Amino acid sequence: DSGVTQTPKHLITATGQRVTLRCSPRSGDLSVYWYQQSLDQGLQFLIQYYNGEERAKGNILERFSAQQFPDLHSELNLSSLELGDSALYFCASSDLAGANEQFFGPGTRLTVL
Amino acid sequence: AQSVTQLGSHVSVSEGALVLLRCNYSSSVPPYLFWYVQYPNQGLQLLLKYTTGATLVKGINGFEAEFKKSETSFHLTKPSAHMSDAAEYFCAVSYTGANSKLTFGKGITLSVRP
Repeated sequence: DSGVTQTPKHLITATGQRVTLRCSPRSGDLSVYWYQQSLDQGLQFLIQYYNGEERAKGNILERFSAQQFPDLHSELNLSSLELGDSALYFCASSDLAGANEQFFGPGTRLTVL
Repeated sequence: AQSVTQLGSHVSVSEGALVLLRCNYSSSVPPYLFWYVQYPNQGLQLLLKYTTGATLVKGINGFEAEFKKSETSFHLTKPSAHMSDAAEYFCAVSYTGANSKLTFGKGITLSVRP
């Protein structure tokens, strides 16, 4: 158990809908990362938050947004969903000290029908 | 920009045989290097990491990797494969500060034959 929790585990929805994925980092970790894993794109970095502020952005679509709350949990919002958004979404957390070891949650599997 | 190359998508070995999974990176400065393992329907688990110092790094489950700067490589090895090693393996790089995201290779699926 990495100490990072993600809910829900599975999500099935229709095209055009909006969903919210939730992540709670390890106790004490200030940094949260979101990654998308798909068969065609592999594991891709989406966005990073550090202590409530956006720190870095990767290949994140404009339809996607995220935030980190004062209690350090984070939410990834996906809107106007398309079939191609079906993927595993991972959250990872880190204390950003030293070598930046990131601890991954179990992921949320999103299926868009 | 940094990139990670994992040659091949699938490696099959016999139980008890040597496991060798290759990873090369492209970077203007030496990065931090990681190997993660993903078992079916699970998240990613860190196997080992290289930061600074000793270039031969030992990880969990008997795996080790050697950082070779001249070859920009970080190959993962295990002397004797076990059935439980069957999984997908990802090599990744990161840096400090504002560029601390992980950049992953495409992953290699390891199969272990009885």
